[in-house]
Amino acid sequence: DTAVSQTPKYLVTQMGNDKSIKCEQNLGHDTMYWYKQDSKKFLKIMFSYNNKELIINETVPNRFSPKSPDKAHLNLHINSLELGDSAVYFCASSSGQGRKTQYFGPGTRLLVL
Amino acid sequence: DAKTTQPPSMDCAEGRAANLPCNHSTISGNEYVYWYRQIHSQGPQYIIHGLKNNETNEMASLIITEDRKSSTLILPHATLRDTAVYYCIVRSPNSGNTPLVFGKGTRLSVIA
Repeated sequence: DTAVSQTPKYLVTQMGNDKSIKCEQNLGHDTMYWYKQDSKKFLKIMFSYNNKELIINETVPNRFSPKSPDKAHLNLHINSLELGDSAVYFCASSSGQGRKTQYFGPGTRLLVL
Repeated sequence: DAKTTQPPSMDCAEGRAANLPCNHSTISGNEYVYWYRQIHSQGPQYIIHGLKNNETNEMASLIITEDRKSSTLILPHATLRDTAVYYCIVRSPNSGNTPLVFGKGTRLSVIA
């Protein structure tokens, strides 16, 4: 009964490839996020979706394209991967109700060679 | 959201209370103090939040000073599994479903 799940957990790929990371939440939340944690361990927001609509798009290269087929899913597609994309990517979700606590997935560790 | 300041690292003996401080001197009247932690190789995890009264749940206690310019997260009986980076975050209740802004946090090491 995992609340926020991500696949794959590990992703090793070559520069220039295109890859996708999937995220699913079974909490009934209406908002989902993608965060990036770089090698220095700083966690930063990349995108935020509310009811399948893009709300926040930080200064992320347009090689990164999030897609939300429904409220429970927010996938991240990355084109033309670069060495600097190596990081841990976390998906999260929250609800418009109550205290708006965010629940995070376990992370996807991306290594670009 | 107001900025927070936390010590970069702390040690705590196993079984003792871990007291993690956070300064948020520019907090405004309606902003809440949230605490999250990130255990190694895991996603951040919500711990507790409060406005001005002290709060307690099954994980921790949160003590907020009367002037609300600082707070302390207390883990009453730290275990090795509490070793993690702890983040203090100040947020407006009108933030809606906006992203969390993480600082550098405090790396807590619980020592046997």
